[in-house]
Amino acid sequence: DTAVSQTPKYLVTQMGNDKSIKCEQNLGHDTMYWYKQDSKKFLKIMFSYNNKELIINETVPNRFSPKSPDKAHLNLHINSLELGDSAVYFCASSQDAPLAGGWGGELFFGEGSRLTVL
Amino acid sequence: ILNVEQSPQSLHVQEGDSTNFTCSFPSSNFYALHWYRWETAKSPEALFVMTLNGDEKKKGRISATLNTKEGYSYLYIKGSQPEDSATYLCAFVQGGKLIFGQGTELSVKP
Repeated sequence: DTAVSQTPKYLVTQMGNDKSIKCEQNLGHDTMYWYKQDSKKFLKIMFSYNNKELIINETVPNRFSPKSPDKAHLNLHINSLELGDSAVYFCASSQDAPLAGGWGGELFFGEGSRLTVL
Repeated sequence: ILNVEQSPQSLHVQEGDSTNFTCSFPSSNFYALHWYRWETAKSPEALFVMTLNGDEKKKGRISATLNTKEGYSYLYIKGSQPEDSATYLCAFVQGGKLIFGQGTELSVKP
């Protein structure tokens, strides 16, 4: 059983389309994340949810909307896709949120979803 | 956001060599420092989470040290093997977020 699974692994789509990437974790963790791997291969945090509540929302265009139906799932919906959205998106989870005063525990990553916008 | 910096960016060693690389991070308001190993076409996997100044952690041939007062951590690999080839990421907890460095890409030649 894969601990953190994301679908699809590959997504090729046209500019202007709307697409979603789904993520599920079976670790019983409270916190889930979306990271974007940029062109320089940095992993940059986009969003974090703790027990279905949004706790981190970086300066991400509002075309990106995360949704957490329950604490085991965190989906990423992207509207009006642009060329610059092409990247690998990683979902991750941790036992707790790395809030001030606590470190939250190690992150468990999904295998990534490579989005290509043409 | 203050940066996490790793050096060198890439490293090529021969099988059997021992090697080390550095992660520098802001020394104020320290909470935790993570190390991850990221093999090509796979997802990053945690090696260590370090929280205390002077911490030393070890997993097989890989070990790490932490100096929170001066803001650095070293990762050591003893007797590198080809299967150690990967990108090694460090990440620093700041403002409730885990901020990643750009990684050190290690290539071990047989």
